[in-house]
Amino acid sequence: AQSVTQPDIHITVSEGASLELRCNYSYGATPYLFWYVQSPGQGLQLLLKYFSGDTLVQGIKGFEAEFKRSQSSFNLRKPSVHWSDAAEYFCAQEQLYNQGGKLIFGQGTELSVKP
Amino acid sequence: ETGVTQSPTHLIKTRGQQVTLRCSSQSGHNTVSWYQQALGQGPQFIFQYYREEENGRGNFPPRFSGLQFPNYSSELNVNALELDDSALYLCASSLGGGRETQYFGPGTRLLVL
Repeated sequence: AQSVTQPDIHITVSEGASLELRCNYSYGATPYLFWYVQSPGQGLQLLLKYFSGDTLVQGIKGFEAEFKRSQSSFNLRKPSVHWSDAAEYFCAQEQLYNQGGKLIFGQGTELSVKP
Repeated sequence: ETGVTQSPTHLIKTRGQQVTLRCSSQSGHNTVSWYQQALGQGPQFIFQYYREEENGRGNFPPRFSGLQFPNYSSELNVNALELDDSALYLCASSLGGGRETQYFGPGTRLLVL
């Protein structure tokens, strides 16, 4: 079965430090990949997506992600973390069927930011 | 352009009751997907509606059912509530059923006692 793995359940970084959140997907020659962010008690906000083309994808809030087919990875990065980035981050892959598609999510990585 | 909205924001029910959750899709979107997010977990796909027809279903029992209306808004109905149904229910809308970005609403927090 298709799956998405986020190996890190919780990460703590200092404000101003760089960040990398890991994501591995399990299926597909041309995966459709997403990163979403969720603040406590809120819905999911799309940070960025990869459908095809350039493997380095730019998103909102200064985030970027790199698609590496050889490693089945789609890691999220930010060069300098702000306190407001503290949240839960979810990687997702779309599984296509018939005329539809469903998102398969990882378990999430909770990001804490130290002052 | 309005985003995805959901109602109610919070709901408390008792075991065995029935509940209806509502979702208004983003303007111009014809597809709605529902997800269940248990505490500390990633969202799990329940089902998707495309142009008023169910178009894909996850591993959820038949007591989870839905509707999509001509204006593309949607309802999620859950019958015979169980304690494990306590979760955040997320609705997402998209322009089309696949290869399209899904935009999420704020969710409905359901507590079953």
